[in-house]
Amino acid sequence: ETGVTQTPRHLVMGMTNKKSLKCEQHLGHNAMYWYKQSAKKPLELMFVYNFKEQTENNSVPSRFSPECPNSSHLFLHLHTLQPEDSALYLCASSQDSGVGEKLFFGSGTQLSVL
Amino acid sequence: DQQVKQNSPSLSVQEGRISILNCDYTNSMFDYFLWYKKYPAEGPTFLISISSIKDKNEDGRFTVFLNKSAKHLSLHIVPSQPGDSAVYFCAVKDTGRRALTFGSGTRLQVQP
Repeated sequence: ETGVTQTPRHLVMGMTNKKSLKCEQHLGHNAMYWYKQSAKKPLELMFVYNFKEQTENNSVPSRFSPECPNSSHLFLHLHTLQPEDSALYLCASSQDSGVGEKLFFGSGTQLSVL
Repeated sequence: DQQVKQNSPSLSVQEGRISILNCDYTNSMFDYFLWYKKYPAEGPTFLISISSIKDKNEDGRFTVFLNKSAKHLSLHIVPSQPGDSAVYFCAVKDTGRRALTFGSGTRLQVQP
């Protein structure tokens, strides 16, 4: 148990659906992240939130909409996705400790877009 | 344009022998380097790290080496155990950024 909980673990959705991924961290961290892992590709950074403020958007299409209501919760709202968006979506959190900052990951949501 | 490359997608090692996983990076401004391990159906978990001011860090069976002139990072596991079978990702941190940039991973299989 890493202290970062993601729900749901699995999600199947059609291209016209709207769904949301949820992430909650119980570590008291002040930054949260969304990463995407597609098959045989590196983990790709999507968004970074620092003290609830978005500090990075890695050129993510607008069909992915993040929301960070507080430092413990992070959502990823999905709408009109494409089949190529099928991937493992990972949430992470961290606490600013200078150079030695480590990310703690949840177990991910395996998303399939039909 | 990948800033972090793990050129070996897979590695198979006998139990008890040494596993060496490699990672190359392009940016000399990276100041912190990490290795993560990932089992199927789980998120990556932190394994070991090293700052750019050091060239070696050891934690039990795991040692990370940093060669800044070659922009090369390696992870040594000695002795390797079947439970070490997983995908290993190297990750780097850029100065002034909080997010990590990851390599594509190396799948390690330790044969009993």
